Amino acid sequence: SQTIHQWPATLVQPVGSPLSLECTVEGTSNPNLYWYRQAAGRGLQLLFYSVGIGQISSEVPQNLSASRPQDRQFILSSKKLLLSDSGFYLCAWSVGPGGMVFFGQGTRLTVV
Amino acid sequence: GESVGLHLPTLSVQEGDNSIINCAYSNSASDYFIWYKQESGKGPQFIIDIRSNMDKRQGQRVTVLLNKTVKHLSLQIAATQPGDSAVYFCAESSPETSYDKVIFGPGTSLSVIP
Repeated sequence: SQTIHQWPATLVQPVGSPLSLECTVEGTSNPNLYWYRQAAGRGLQLLFYSVGIGQISSEVPQNLSASRPQDRQFILSSKKLLLSDSGFYLCAWSVGPGGMVFFGQGTRLTVV
Repeated sequence: GESVGLHLPTLSVQEGDNSIINCAYSNSASDYFIWYKQESGKGPQFIIDIRSNMDKRQGQRVTVLLNKTVKHLSLQIAATQPGDSAVYFCAESSPETSYDKVIFGPGTSLSVIP
């Protein structure tokens, strides 16, 4: 069966520090991968999605970047965090076009 | 579009009553829709999906209705239980982006009163 791993679960980082959140999927190949952000009490904002290795679509211009160095690995990064980067970050995957999206457990990032 | 800057609308229902959660979508080309349930501190979980060749689909205690004319989607939960308390999101995708881009609605917070 397919599983998605996202870590860490919680993270407190100072303003100006770098960020690296990692997500891996097991049990499937060539999945679509997604990064969403959810501010407290708000909806899900699509940040990036990827349909293959090295293919990244950015939805919102911001202080973040994403990379997909391997088929089942998706990384969210920042060189210098801002206070506004605080939120709940969710990695997700789907089996391909038209498939339902499955989410990881999320990373709660607090920038102080 | 995405309404991620808005606070979540809330719905309070009495235990045992039916709940109806609504969602409006903006892209008339979207033809695949999914409802998700998100409990506090967790990632969203799939509830039910529907494609545009249908206007109704039923699952266990849940029914999704799709009105393509007015671009409206609803989730009906029968005999609502305390465990149904959560935030509910609709999501859409379209052939315009080969269904690769999945956009979520703003979400509705459901509170069940025992």
